Amino acid sequence: DTVMTQSPATLSVSPGEGATLSCRASQSVSGFLAWYQQKPGQAPRFLIYDASTRATGVPARFSGSGSGTEFTLTISSLQSEDFAVYYCQQYDSWPWTFGQGTKVEMK
Amino acid sequence: EVQLVVSGGGLVQPGGSLRLSCAASGFTFRNYWMSWVRQAPGKGLEWLANIHQDGGEKHYVDSVKGRFTVSRDNARNSFYLQMNTLRAEDTAVYYCARFLRTGLFDYWGQGALVTVSS
Repeated sequence: DTVMTQSPATLSVSPGEGATLSCRASQSVSGFLAWYQQKPGQAPRFLIYDASTRATGVPARFSGSGSGTEFTLTISSLQSEDFAVYYCQQYDSWPWTFGQGTKVEMK
Repeated sequence: EVQLVVSGGGLVQPGGSLRLSCAASGFTFRNYWMSWVRQAPGKGLEWLANIHQDGGEKHYVDSVKGRFTVSRDNARNSFYLQMNTLRAEDTAVYYCARFLRTGLFDYWGQGALVTVSS
């Protein structure tokens, strides 16, 4: 199975600042990497696929990059609604696997 | 608007069984694969199972293979997760999700808590 490792576990950011989240795969997943956002008590929300393509309705302040084993999610200017846990997921090979999440909290 | 509503969670003893249901609306249910994903308390997400549009093809993660069974009823726009021989480590919030054949989960239900405890 492909193991997805996210860092850092927690990121403390002030509103209006940017945030950079990392995701590493234990083997190449090409560009088959997605990101999800989860707020407390809510289901995950689909954000980005193919490493860098925003899903419908996702604001432009969210951007993704990377390929192979190293990926990044960047939030350019954090809004109050962006404080949440973010998960990466590979869909290059079965079984589909997720990272353990990065919590973006308000500083 | 796509909606997925999970029901059937609750408390069950180790070794017991439980059946989760997911009711879908807002899209043509019979045209999509569907999935179950769970999240143990304080943990990340774990994909569990997929089912093809017509129910003829199913896939499971190894940790639930032989114990969990996914099924669907396209006439009722619903799909199900039958969970048998439950263990304490199956305690989690269980989500249903619409699955894109590429490997993505584009819409999620609100989740149902399953607690396995004596």
